[in-house]
Parts: sequence; C-alpha cells; structure tokens
Amino acid sequence: DAGVTQSPTHLIKTRGQQVTLRCSPKSGHDTVSWYQQALGQGPQFIFQYYEEEERQRGNFPDRFSGHQFPNYSSELNVNALLLGDSALYLCASSLEITYEQYFGPGTRLTVT
Amino acid sequence: GENVEQHPSTLSVQEGDSAVIKCTYSDSASNYFPWYKQELGKGPQLIIDIRSNVGEKKDQRIAVTLNKTAKHFSLHITETQPEDSAVYFCAASSQGGSEKLVFGKGTKLTVNP
Repeated sequence: DAGVTQSPTHLIKTRGQQVTLRCSPKSGHDTVSWYQQALGQGPQFIFQYYEEEERQRGNFPDRFSGHQFPNYSSELNVNALLLGDSALYLCASSLEITYEQYFGPGTRLTVT
Repeated sequence: GENVEQHPSTLSVQEGDSAVIKCTYSDSASNYFPWYKQELGKGPQLIIDIRSNVGEKKDQRIAVTLNKTAKHFSLHITETQPEDSAVYFCAASSQGGSEKLVFGKGTKLTVNP
C-alpha cells in the first residue's frame, strides 16, 4: 500500500517565479492538506482540499493556491515567489471521517 | 485560534533512560492530539495519538497522557534507543482528519549510546 507521495523532491526557483508542487494521497484517502515547514519550526497549515474544493485556509496570502483532482491527488501553486517562501512543503492525506493525517516526504523549495 | 506550546526544545538522554515531552493547548474545542516523529530529510511520521475521551494511551515503549482540565498532554518514551533520536512534534485539532492540525515548535531528542 503506497503512502503519500510528493514530487519533486527538491526545487530551486528564482524570486518572482511560479512553482507547482504535486501530491498523491495514501490509497483510499479523500482529503489532502498542505503545510509549510520553515527550518527549525513546526509545520504550518496552508489549506485543505476535500471533494475538489478548498475547505479551509490558513493564514497564507492568495499567492498560494491549490487544486484537487477527481482521483484525490492535489497540487499546490505559489506565484510571485519570495525568498521567505523557501521551506519544506508537506502534503498530508486523511479520510474525511477519521482523525489520522499521514504526511509525505515533502518538497524542499529554495528561492534564490 | 488554537495555540500549541511544546517543551523542552531540546532533550538529551542516555540510552535506556526515559524521555518526556510536554505540550499545552489553548482551545478547549480541540479533541484530537497526535504526536509525530520527524527524522532528518523526511516528512513527519505519526507515532501515536489520543482523543479527548481517553486519558492515556500506550503503544509498546511510547505512551501519551492527556489532561483536559489543564489543557496539556505529554509524550513518554521508555527504554530509549539511539534510533529514537529525531525531532518530535505535538499537534492539536478539533476534528482530526477533516480539520487542520496546529503544531508545536518541536523537540529535538538525542539519545546517547
């Protein structure tokens, strides 16, 4: 049973560019949440997708947007990248009716 | 909104000793409290969780306790081993999988052989 997968593993972008990160949830899961983890900090919630809709959003600007596809996979898009967007981006999947959230290995984004 | 505080930020123990990490939360509506272990270069791994209708839960060498009145919960690791060395995060949520997790800042645990 495959766990949560994310791509790419690492990414280097220049300030002002746009980036798309991808996530495939654990088999059978229908809910995807995205988190940003700065170095030395705990993950911070960006937003959550369920039934292809953004259900909740954390305190992140509109430059952060996402999408969920019919197969439950998800994308995180960040526009107009800032140096401060450099972080580990984590995807977590869950089943809407249960409690546990399982994380993928993350995508390390570096903005130069 | 919910705020989770975690202590200590670093913890060093000798192999075989016990380790305790403590967290407090602010929102009385929170009812789900997972603990994650994060090794270098990896995503957080769910190691144990507890719901607000339970006071204590054990899984082999790991246990979690919850005091709803005081709004704090703790992770206990007994008979620590070098492979327990990692960063541990506590989190709180009001609806589990369908609700965001609010994380503490993490505890770096080092188990010395």
